Amino acid sequence: KQEVTQIPAALSVPEGENLVLNCSFTDSAIYNLQWFRQDPGKGLTSLLLIQSSQREQTSGRLNASLDKSSGRSTLYIAASQPGDSATYLCAVLNAGGTSYGKLTFGQGTILTVHP
Amino acid sequence: DTGVSQDPRHKITKRGQNVTFRCDPISEHNRLYWYRQTLGQGPEFLTYFQNEAQLEKSRLLSDRFSAERPKGSFSTLEIQRTEQGDSAMYLCASSPGFTLTEAFFGQGTRLTVV
Repeated sequence: KQEVTQIPAALSVPEGENLVLNCSFTDSAIYNLQWFRQDPGKGLTSLLLIQSSQREQTSGRLNASLDKSSGRSTLYIAASQPGDSATYLCAVLNAGGTSYGKLTFGQGTILTVHP
Repeated sequence: DTGVSQDPRHKITKRGQNVTFRCDPISEHNRLYWYRQTLGQGPEFLTYFQNEAQLEKSRLLSDRFSAERPKGSFSTLEIQRTEQGDSAMYLCASSPGFTLTEAFFGQGTRLTVV
């Protein structure tokens, strides 16, 4: 069964700092990996999608990398702003096993960027 | 196109009552998913549809839960005889395809069973 772990569980940084969020998964049989943002009490907003054949994707100040063979992904946020404060979730779309065809999520990293 | 729409946004119900949630996916998205999220946890898979066909249900879904997607458009999730443990955020997502496409989520329905 696929398991996704995110480290750290929470992170508090001053505005302007560059930061890295980590995601690891146990089964490398995936189609893609997606990073989401969730504000309190809200739904999920898709940030980046990385196909299993890709190594990284960039969108503005966000850069996500994927190392499928080692089961790891990182989300890099440059020049953080207070508006970046949210919970960040990673999810893998499984290509095999009992989780086939579904997204498996990590528990998220709660990010707080203070002015 | 305004994205995935869920209704209602919030629902408070008494234990034992039935509730129904609606999800309108992005137009022409043939995959539709339901997930449940409890506080401090990531979303957990409940069920998904390819057009009108329900392809899989999680073992998390007891017999009290049923989902439909008539005509492959909107979907409904019904919970019968609600229990306090059903309190959660219910999230709907849609995608235009399968392996190469993003999943887009709605704002969710927050259910509180009192």
